Amino acid sequence: AQTVTQSQPEMSVQEAETVTLSCTYDTSENNYYLFWYKQPPSRQMILVIRQEAYKQQNATENRFSVNFQKAAKSFSLKISDSQLGDTAMYFCAFNAGNQFYFGTGTSLTVIP
Amino acid sequence: DTGVSQDPRHKITKRGQNVTFRCDPISEHNRLYWYRQTLGQGPEFLTYFQNEAQLEKSRLLSDRFSAERPKGSFSTLEIQRTEQGDSAMYLCASSLAGAGGPENEQFFGPGTRLTVL
Repeated sequence: AQTVTQSQPEMSVQEAETVTLSCTYDTSENNYYLFWYKQPPSRQMILVIRQEAYKQQNATENRFSVNFQKAAKSFSLKISDSQLGDTAMYFCAFNAGNQFYFGTGTSLTVIP
Repeated sequence: DTGVSQDPRHKITKRGQNVTFRCDPISEHNRLYWYRQTLGQGPEFLTYFQNEAQLEKSRLLSDRFSAERPKGSFSTLEIQRTEQGDSAMYLCASSLAGAGGPENEQFFGPGTRLTVL
């Protein structure tokens, strides 16, 4: 069975600083995809960044980057130059085949 | 608006009643997913459609739950004989994926919040 674990229920960061959110997963699959989704308060969930497991290069999207360690089954999200609009729940998600598995989320607060 | 829409946004019902939710995906998307999200948890996969075919159902989806996507466009999720444990946010997501290709980005709707009294 696939599982996704986010061990940090809540985090905070000063505006303009850098923060890293942790995610680990467990799977026996070799080909899969990993995602970070952002869910702002009372707003829809949106994709932040995606990583294909067969790619060794870590994905980056502007201020967002991941540290993907396949052997360790670790997929952390780094947010640089944090902005107030980054305040949200962040969910790590795993996809292999037709199902998606989400972690329990990390609530990130950016402090002005 | 070309995003995923869900109706209603909120539903309050009494235990034992039936409820039906609707999801309208992005028009060209061929995949549609239903999730349930309870407070403090991430979304839990319920079921998945590729066009009109329901290809995957979670064991979380009891016999009281049924989903349809009759013409490969909008989808409905019905819960019969609701129980208090059904109270949750029900999320719909859609994506466009080619045959044999990688999974593409899922676009989520705003969700339907169900409260069972």
